[in-house]
Amino acid sequence: NAGVTQTPKFRILKIGQSMTLQCTQDMNHNYMYWYRQDPGMGLKLIYYSVGAGITDKGEVPNGYNVSRSTTEDFPLRLELAAPSQTSVYFCASSTRQGTTYEQYFGPGTRLTVT
Amino acid sequence: RKEVEQDPGPFNVPEGATVAFNCTYSNSASQSFFWYRQDCRKEPKLLMSVYSSGNEDGRFTAQLNRASQYISLLIRDSKLSDSATYLCVVNMDTGANNLFFGTGTRLTVIP
Repeated sequence: NAGVTQTPKFRILKIGQSMTLQCTQDMNHNYMYWYRQDPGMGLKLIYYSVGAGITDKGEVPNGYNVSRSTTEDFPLRLELAAPSQTSVYFCASSTRQGTTYEQYFGPGTRLTVT
Repeated sequence: RKEVEQDPGPFNVPEGATVAFNCTYSNSASQSFFWYRQDCRKEPKLLMSVYSSGNEDGRFTAQLNRASQYISLLIRDSKLSDSATYLCVVNMDTGANNLFFGTGTRLTVIP
């Protein structure tokens, strides 16, 4: 299994541009997540999905959109990029075992908005 | 108060030393607890779950104190390869969206 894969690894955007961060998992996990990690800060949840066709906002959703048309894919869309969106973005997936969600992360996308 | 708080360190210890990290959480109803390891410029990876009775995996021991709302990670006989940032992660309730991450504690093991 490849696990969770993300593309691209790096990207530089100009203010106002848009882009989609891709995330795919091959573990047949129902749950998928997008986080951002700023320097010296913990991971913040942007959006999450509990299954195909179902998405919901996390702690910091403004400026982002997601879709979940298949179990495998969970792309994150940035519209009108702003410098505040400069960050490292991690996609994760998990399955649920009782009350436990052990998350598996992709390698991350480093985004700079200038 | 932050949901999950950790001492950011850095902890600089010699090889072979024992080092312990603590983490406190705000919600007494929290359900599950984890330690993740994150290497520089890499993704977090699950190190171990933390069970109520405490658990051990080789040189690593995790403990949970529900009454005081903290969890700990003990690393014995530190290796150079243990150098990383250790993230405390708490699932605040049964929801999939309630996983909260600490900011991490940085460990450097020195030869």
